[in-house]
Amino acid sequence: NAGVTQTPKFRVLKTGQSMTLLCAQDMNHEYMYWYRQDPGMGLRLIHYSVGEGTTAKGEVPDGYNVSRLKKQNFLLGLESAAPSQTSVYFCASSYNVASGRMLDEQYFGPGTRLTVT
Amino acid sequence: AQSVTQLGSHVSVSEGALVLLRCNYSSSVPPYLFWYVQYPNQGLQLLLKYTSAATLVKGINGFEAEFKKSETSFHLTKPSAHMSDAAEYFCAVREANFGNEKLTFGTGTRLTIIP
Repeated sequence: NAGVTQTPKFRVLKTGQSMTLLCAQDMNHEYMYWYRQDPGMGLRLIHYSVGEGTTAKGEVPDGYNVSRLKKQNFLLGLESAAPSQTSVYFCASSYNVASGRMLDEQYFGPGTRLTVT
Repeated sequence: AQSVTQLGSHVSVSEGALVLLRCNYSSSVPPYLFWYVQYPNQGLQLLLKYTSAATLVKGINGFEAEFKKSETSFHLTKPSAHMSDAAEYFCAVREANFGNEKLTFGTGTRLTIIP
């Protein structure tokens, strides 16, 4: 049981380049989330998904797109990277329907450190 | 709307001393409250959670927190600090209504343990 995994772990982009971050979970969770973590600002929600094929905007969605084509995967895309997107990105998942645990906590991946020059 | 305030971005305590990390929340409906810990270069790990059962919640590694509705607080404590407790700690709130699955995090408190 790997939990939540993220690919890649590190990436350096030039301004204007694009990339996709992949998040995968093997806990059969319904909900998945993308956060960014910046010094002194805690974690801020970028986008989230409450089920396969559905996505919604979080607190800081501008400059990012997401897709959830399969229940176990949640992709975060940057179409045209900017230096302001230099950050550590975390994926999380929660809520297994079979266990009926609506009060379940979020489980986090190890993070992706992205630098945009 | 929900929000969290963590007082003190940096806290230092001596090994063996009491650890107290402060968290105050704002929520328009009864909240669920969480404390997460982040060790260097790692993801977040749940320490403990309050979900409207007992107001005193015990977590992993000897930590506990008490929900105080009158003070809108959920402070994290540990009686005796250990070197391995050095990490960043985040308080988070979620409104306890169906359909709201979003956590709002505080800005974090970095805990340093002095030998």
